Amino acid sequence: GESVGLHLPTLSVQEGDNSIINCAYSNSASDYFIWYKQESGKGPQFIIDIRSNMDKRQGQRVTVLLNKTVKHLSLQIAATQPGDSAVYFCAENMFSGGYNKLIFGAGTRLAVHP
Amino acid sequence: AAGVIQSPRHLIKEKRETATLKCYPIPRHDTVYWYQQGPGQDPQFLISFYEKMQSDKGSIPDRFSAQQFSDYHSELNMSSLELGDSALYFCASSLRFTGANVLTFGAGSRLTVL
Repeated sequence: GESVGLHLPTLSVQEGDNSIINCAYSNSASDYFIWYKQESGKGPQFIIDIRSNMDKRQGQRVTVLLNKTVKHLSLQIAATQPGDSAVYFCAENMFSGGYNKLIFGAGTRLAVHP
Repeated sequence: AAGVIQSPRHLIKEKRETATLKCYPIPRHDTVYWYQQGPGQDPQFLISFYEKMQSDKGSIPDRFSAQQFSDYHSELNMSSLELGDSALYFCASSLRFTGANVLTFGAGSRLTVL
């Protein structure tokens, strides 16, 4: 089976509760940030992004909050469902030499219990 | 919709052997990225290509090389394989000038070096 998430911090929540996953980033010059969800055996999937000139952005059941003062990003998932169980990564976009690239932060494994 | 296609999905090699991974980006995407993800780790950027030219280089070992071909597919060549090369290798693609560098990832190629 897939070993992603084997040594990652785990957030355990009950089905129906809200989940908050946190991330610290390093580069003050990053112009936007993305949350990815990675299920076992799959590649990272885009969830939501936020530009550096925003503090909050909402999607369907998800909200991303950005605090540039402390370089902190959070992902809030409302009414967490079993299908939300996965490893979540934040990524910051770095622009260098005319090109973009994403740098991933440490992941958090979300375990949803019925 | 067409996604990023990677092959092979699984590959087993002996130490000091050579491996080649292939990536077929989403049609019309002009940028390809390679990431390496060890067990319990976040994806680490290896290298990227824009319009068949190397655009950026990350933590790619000298034993590895990559290129993007005229049809935009990319190959990652790994020689003198070491045990520590065992990992998931993800390819991602994007359009360079979209205002937001959202990468779409493939399902990954799992390399096991024995």
